[in-house]
Amino acid sequence: GESVGLHLPTLSVQEGDNSIINCAYSNSASDYFIWYKQESGKGPQFIIDIRSNMDKRQGQRVTVLLNKTVKHLSLQIAATQPGDSAVYFCAENGGTSYGKLTFGQGTILTVHP
Amino acid sequence: SQTIHQWPATLVQPVGSPLSLECTVEGTSNPNLYWYRQAAGRGLQLLFYSVGIGQISSEVPQNLSASRPQDRQFILSSKKLLLSDSGFYLCAWRGQDGELFFGEGSRLTVL
Repeated sequence: GESVGLHLPTLSVQEGDNSIINCAYSNSASDYFIWYKQESGKGPQFIIDIRSNMDKRQGQRVTVLLNKTVKHLSLQIAATQPGDSAVYFCAENGGTSYGKLTFGQGTILTVHP
Repeated sequence: SQTIHQWPATLVQPVGSPLSLECTVEGTSNPNLYWYRQAAGRGLQLLFYSVGIGQISSEVPQNLSASRPQDRQFILSSKKLLLSDSGFYLCAWRGQDGELFFGEGSRLTVL
């Protein structure tokens, strides 16, 4: 069936490095994508989103890239900090209108001081 | 600003006991509301969503039910809990652009 998946389940980086978290999606009907950050024991926190009519969107220290040709999504975090350590999920809407999001498995990001 | 509250935050229940998890949203009217479940080390699975009072859609067959008695209240229930119902339950409301904003979650352990 349709799914959203991540290439790497874990990522370890040094403080100050840039981090890149990848996500592959298979539902060609998806036109809206979101990245979430989830800290241990807490609910997912919205980071950044992108619509399919864009290929890049920037926020504060984060950039999301969308490649519709290969159905690939990535989250770039600049100057990664220990507070960025968390599980990161990508989500896609499958083209639905009622707000259902399908989430990927998640990538654990660990930032070492 | 909008806020979302879930309670209880943690719950330990015996098999066969009932369940009631509550979620309320403030600062928005007629929101779309969602219940997701997250198993340990896994992604989120949509259980129920509601577009209005008394309107519930179920995504997966299961031992749980949902109700929306008021515009800003969404309740997840079970008459008899199973071991497999253990997990982290998350309530969310839908923003203007389609993004979901989640509560802090309710961790349920069924023994």
